[in-house]
Order: sequence, then structure tokens, then C-alpha cells
Amino acid sequence: DAGVTQSPTHLIKTRGQHVTLRCSPISGHKSVSWYQQVLGQGPQFIFQYYEKEERGRGNFPDRFSARQFPNYSSELNVNALLLGDSALYLCASSLEGAGGSFSYEQYFGPGTRLTVT
Amino acid sequence: QKEVEQNSGPLSVPEGAIASLNCTYSDRGSQSFFWYRQYSGKSPELIMFIYSNGDKEDGRFTAQLNKASQYVSLLIRDSQPSDSATYLCAVEGSGGSNYKLTFGKGTLLTVNP
Repeated sequence: DAGVTQSPTHLIKTRGQHVTLRCSPISGHKSVSWYQQVLGQGPQFIFQYYEKEERGRGNFPDRFSARQFPNYSSELNVNALLLGDSALYLCASSLEGAGGSFSYEQYFGPGTRLTVT
Repeated sequence: QKEVEQNSGPLSVPEGAIASLNCTYSDRGSQSFFWYRQYSGKSPELIMFIYSNGDKEDGRFTAQLNKASQYVSLLIRDSQPSDSATYLCAVEGSGGSNYKLTFGKGTLLTVNP
């Protein structure tokens, strides 16, 4: 079975530009989460979407936005890119967990490495 | 701000030894705990999860959870050079924040042949 897929693999943008990153979850998974990982740090939560609705948002500025489509794939958009946005952007998918837990076990895709110059 | 703390390492063990990785967390209401392995330049890979106090074993890996002490650990028995990676501890948020994982900075493990 295919795992989580992300595109593109690598991306180079200049400051001020806009970027769109894409993610397809594991078949049957309805929840998608986005994380940002800078070098030497653990992933930091950005968004979670479940059934096309935003379930939670981390401490990121409004320049970051996301959406989930009817087929459960997702896009992460970042406007007005800053040098500090350079990072590995990770998408994770999960089933709806027991007891209303939405994160449950999250499985990561290969990530998109974004470089802002 | 809910925190997850790990020793950054590096932790170096000889091949065949037991590697012990530790993690503490601040959110007393957290119920679910995860260990991810991340090879250099790759994305995190889920290797263990634990929800109940005590030990959970899966092959050479054992996760240990003590909610009273807010402590979770990962033991790797018979360590192999292929286990050399960064190990990330992740904690699910409690209550209204149960949708997100909070990660530690990771512990770099090196297994020497």
C-alpha cells in the first residue's frame, strides 16, 4: 500500500513569493496534519484537517493556510515567504482514533524541503 | 506552553548493547505517546506508541511509560549500526488539543560496530 505522498520534493523560492505544498494521505485515512521541521529541531505542528475542516492550528502566522479536499488530500500555502520559512515541511495522515482522539498514530510523508533565498 | 524534553545526545553505544532513550513531558493530561526514528535527511518513521502505564515490547524495542512521573522511555536491545538515527519523542495534546503532537528536539543515537 502506498504511504503518504508529498510534492514537490524540493523547492527553492525567493523572499516575498508564495508557495503551495501538496499531500496525499494513506488510503482510508481522513485526517491530515502539517508540521514544520527546522534543522536540529523536532517537527512543530502547523495544522490538522479532518473531513475537510480545520481541527487545530499551531502558533504560526496567518501567512500560513491550508485546506483539505473531498478526496482527503491537502494543500499547505505560505504567502510572503521569509528566510525563516526555510525548513522541511512534513505531512502526516492518521485514522480517526478511538475515544475521539484525532491524532492517534500519525504517519509521515517524505516531506518537502523548502529553501527561501 | 506544553513541553517535551529529551537529552540531545549524542548517545553512543557499542553494537549489541542496550540503548536507553528518555523523554519527559509537562502536560499531565496527555494520554498518548509516540517514538519516531529519523534518519539524516529523511522524514520521521513511527516505531512505537504507548497509551498505558508500564512496558510495551515490539521486537528489539520496549517503550516504558510512567504517567505519574511524566516520563516515557525507549529501550533498544541488541543495538545495530542501522539503529543509528535521531529518535524523536512525541506527546499528544490533552483535552481540546488532542489533535496535535508536540515533539522533543530528538536524541541522536550512534551505534558503533
